[in-house]
Amino acid sequence: DAKTTQPPSMDCAEGRAANLPCNHSTISGNEYVYWYRQIHSQGPQYIIHGLKNNETNEMASLIITEDRKSSTLILPHATLRDTAVYYCIAPLGSSGNTPLVFGKGTRLSVIA
Amino acid sequence: DAGITQSPRHKVTETGTPVTLRCHQTENHRYMYWYRQDPGHGLRLIHYSYGVKDTDKGEVSDGYSVSRSKTEDFLLTLESATSSQTSVYFCAIKRAGNSYEQYFGPGTRLTVT
Repeated sequence: DAKTTQPPSMDCAEGRAANLPCNHSTISGNEYVYWYRQIHSQGPQYIIHGLKNNETNEMASLIITEDRKSSTLILPHATLRDTAVYYCIAPLGSSGNTPLVFGKGTRLSVIA
Repeated sequence: DAGITQSPRHKVTETGTPVTLRCHQTENHRYMYWYRQDPGHGLRLIHYSYGVKDTDKGEVSDGYSVSRSKTEDFLLTLESATSSQTSVYFCAIKRAGNSYEQYFGPGTRLTVT
């Protein structure tokens, strides 16, 4: 996987947007950026992925810079249930066959 | 929910005993994975399978073996459990194609005393 760098922790007020950054300056042109999260004691949950265009689904939005060296996951209206560890992953290649490597992620705390 | 179950959900065993954890899926996905998660280490891949009888090692495979004799079941065996294998074990599947979307089971908490 391309190396990704995330802040170890962040806080966000409930109801506000949570913006989680990720640096992936060594990413190759055909490698996607994936985001997962893990709520305490549960298995990780897939959130979203993208290549170079911004993406949005029912859970979040993903903004990827034009040079693809960084991205931001946006939770538009964070709730207490969004408190979790968020992982940014850039798997090697685009075949889908390379195992994922989970780093330490960002621990997001949503505060009432 | 990708129809993934893990059994047992909790287990306490003694050092030196063999232990088998089971991952069962109901959707015939080709790829299945076993991870372990420990404080300070995050998720680490143990073994994975890309089809019946087709498996490969991950980052931390020493002391573990796997088997996949049918599509729906992926078994993880600790041949002689050690205290260092006390951990939470997660199974995951990946849907077909070139996506890296994985879906995880609820986990098995294993304690080796």
